[in-house]
Amino acid sequence: QVKLQESGPGLVKPAETLSLNCTVSGGSISNDYWSWIRQSPDKGLEWIGYISNMGNTKYNPSLRGRVTLSMATSQSQISLKMTAVTAADTAVYYCARQQWLADPFDFWGQGTLVTVSA
Amino acid sequence: ENVLTQSPGTLSLSPGDRATLSCRASQTVTADFVAWFQQRPGQPPRLLISGASTRAPGVPDRFSGSGSGTDFTLVISRLETEDFAVYYCHQHASAPLTFGGGTKVEIK
Repeated sequence: QVKLQESGPGLVKPAETLSLNCTVSGGSISNDYWSWIRQSPDKGLEWIGYISNMGNTKYNPSLRGRVTLSMATSQSQISLKMTAVTAADTAVYYCARQQWLADPFDFWGQGTLVTVSA
Repeated sequence: ENVLTQSPGTLSLSPGDRATLSCRASQTVTADFVAWFQQRPGQPPRLLISGASTRAPGVPDRFSGSGSGTDFTLVISRLETEDFAVYYCHQHASAPLTFGGGTKVEIK
């Protein structure tokens, strides 16, 4: 059973960089596609982007180049960095897995709440 | 961007009732790439249906999905207490991947 666990600061100041990690257990991040998805009352569920097992990335254009995903295979971690955050980036952030892009998100982390506030 | 619009926003029903949830896409989407999720408070979304109509492992057969083109439907044939939750449709055919706004199924 694949398990995903998000971690990172729960509070980030406006204009700073949000950094989160997703640690995967019960499977290898060298396979599959790994996405970050966020959820807020205003925007609902919003896909942020994915990183493939080959390190290829694709991002939601709505985030205007503020996002970078990376992976550390030896640590079984996928990382999210989002620059220049504003209050609109306050959300619960999830990581989730697809076995292939043709497959749906079958495993999700529990999510971590990030609040952007001074 | 393929915008998914779910209706109704809220369904007020009783246990044992039938629930019919709709999802309309702004652009045609291949059914293979349409999924439905259930989300209970404080929990991440849980995959119910993939490929528009295939139940995920462990999902009871009272859940069924159908549809094609731009119109997709999730039916819960007889609501159980644990089914009162929010349901989301999702397309992963084209980037950016998108989700509908959700339908809340609440106890009447």
